[in-house]
Amino acid sequence: GAVVSQHPSWVICKSGTSVKIECRSLDFQATTMFWYRQFPKQSLMLMATSNEGSKATYEQGVEKDKFLINHASLTLSTLTVTSAHPEDSSFYICSARVDRGSYGYTFGSGTRLTVV
Amino acid sequence: DAKTTQPTSMDCAEGRAANLPCNHSTISGNEYVYWYRQIHSQGPQYIIHGLKNNETNEMASLIITEDRKSSTLILPHATLRDTAVYYCIVRVNDYKLSFGAGTTVTVRA
Repeated sequence: GAVVSQHPSWVICKSGTSVKIECRSLDFQATTMFWYRQFPKQSLMLMATSNEGSKATYEQGVEKDKFLINHASLTLSTLTVTSAHPEDSSFYICSARVDRGSYGYTFGSGTRLTVV
Repeated sequence: DAKTTQPTSMDCAEGRAANLPCNHSTISGNEYVYWYRQIHSQGPQYIIHGLKNNETNEMASLIITEDRKSSTLILPHATLRDTAVYYCIVRVNDYKLSFGAGTTVTVRA
């Protein structure tokens, strides 16, 4: 149980276009989801926290207008990278806090974004 | 926020126990210690967590010192598939998980 499905697993887009990444909780309701990014050989960096029905809270240094987060339902949060540039190429991972059982937090499988 | 210190890397032999240390000397009384691992190009996987008592599940054991300033994750019988980066995390406020550099564990045949 407590599975988070993240799609797509990889995407290649042209510079200047926007890309949407979806994160769904399959068997539980996720009132809070988190978005991370990870550059090669580095650790995960928290970008933002999204709460269902309210605006996301962004970490310092993360551009809210560039990384749009929507958490419109208890099972879906989306991250849209707007006007993507090569420096946005990274591994993006979502996570959800699980309020039942012993999982604590569960993570999606990640999305590899390459901007060309 | 309590920070953690882990060795950068460690090797262990397949079939042997792997003991991964973590220091969290500034941990607060109500903060949990979580362990996650990340296999290359995948999302992190939950392993175990604890507050004060030692914990065991099907994946690992977590030993927390009495003063809670350090802990050890034990993989009882390491396999090649346990090769990963292991993160020791102390839960901060607002339910955020912040990741440090972790320990790169390489299991060798």
